[in-house]
Amino acid sequence: DTAVSQTPKYLVTQMGNDKSIKCEQNLGHDTMYWYKQDSKKFLKIMFSYNNKELIINETVPNRFSPKSPDKAHLNLHINSLELGDSAVYFCASSGTHGYTFGSGTRLTVV
Amino acid sequence: QQQVKQSPQSLIVQKGGISIINCAYENTAFDYFPWYQQFPGKGPALLIAIRPDVSEKKEGRFTISFNKSAKQFSLHIMDSQPGDSATYFCAASKNDYKLSFGAGTTVTVRA
Repeated sequence: DTAVSQTPKYLVTQMGNDKSIKCEQNLGHDTMYWYKQDSKKFLKIMFSYNNKELIINETVPNRFSPKSPDKAHLNLHINSLELGDSAVYFCASSGTHGYTFGSGTRLTVV
Repeated sequence: QQQVKQSPQSLIVQKGGISIINCAYENTAFDYFPWYQQFPGKGPALLIAIRPDVSEKKEGRFTISFNKSAKQFSLHIMDSQPGDSATYFCAASKNDYKLSFGAGTTVTVRA
């Protein structure tokens, strides 16, 4: 039973399109995150939600909009995709035993 | 700017050898220092973590050494095995919140 699951695993799309990535956690954690991992493997936080409330919004273009319908779900919607958005996006949740990451969504914008 | 600096970028070690990865931080408010292991196509997974009230923590073949005055911490992988080949990330946060990651170290263990 996967603790943090995100879909899809792969996403290939054209520039200018709008896409969404979904994330769900079954760990009962209150806090969820989106991280971006670039081609050099650097992990950078994008957003954090605590119990459906946005608490971290790093310097991310407003084309990226997170939504948390409940504390177990955190989705990421991206408008007007650009080539530079190509990366692996990780969802994570945190509790008393640290962060648990999903397996990532590899987004390729062509 | 990057709040946690990690080195080396990559290292190669023979099976049975010791892998050492170093990290340094600036923010003295950080109070949680985890290490993550990432295999290709997978998300980072928590390996071991330390808080600044101890100078060393060991779990199996993995040991964290922590030097609060120098603002440095390191991961030692003893008796390295081919299955340890992965990318390792150090990280730091205050109150287990908003982890800042190092740039990662790719470890290759040669059989």
